[in-house]
Amino acid sequence: RKEVEQDPGPFNVPEGATVAFNCTYSNSASQSFFWYRQDCRKEPKLLMSVYSSGNEDGRFTAQLNRASQYISLLIRDSKLSDSATYLCVVRPMNRDDKIIFGKGTRLHILP
Amino acid sequence: GAGVSQTPSNKVTEKGKYVELRCDPISGHTALYWYRQSLGQGPEFLIYFQGTGAADDSGLPNDRFFAVRPEGSVSTLKIQRTERGDSAVYLCASSVSGTANYGYTFGSGTRLTVV
Repeated sequence: RKEVEQDPGPFNVPEGATVAFNCTYSNSASQSFFWYRQDCRKEPKLLMSVYSSGNEDGRFTAQLNRASQYISLLIRDSKLSDSATYLCVVRPMNRDDKIIFGKGTRLHILP
Repeated sequence: GAGVSQTPSNKVTEKGKYVELRCDPISGHTALYWYRQSLGQGPEFLIYFQGTGAADDSGLPNDRFFAVRPEGSVSTLKIQRTERGDSAVYLCASSVSGTANYGYTFGSGTRLTVV
């Protein structure tokens, strides 16, 4: 089983719609969780950290379910500029150490 | 500098040649990471430095790959006897030590093509 698994998509969603992605991770001891965004031929950029209680940043909401070992990202009122690949990221240890990326979920927002 | 700088941005080399990829992290960042990203895949961990030492090199695929960070700042990833399968984007990231709950800042990568 891969350490971080995501549905690769693509998700084709009309502008203004709400879209949600899930991601599962295999290491139950994992400590930190993130969503990164990657535009075509660009480097990944941190979108948001994911906290145990869930957290929101504007139109984006991230949730963590430790019991089921999954993380979700919800995007409300989607914009054309949200089109990108969304990478689920897990840090296994609560210290400076490598972070593990999923393959990413491609999102296309349709006008 | 203001961000993580990687050079060259693109590198085309012939199979069997040696290449060096350079990463200049954000000033003051003691942790430095190398990742490799193939088309359609997420970044794959290669090696992590804390200061001058490699704290975790478990992701290096074989002994053709080697990385150094002699002064705890700039790092060089070295690939010997390149193979076509080494073609990928090589990403470098840095972070401030002790900020385990924060993500990294990536450079824009070096796109390596082995022909």
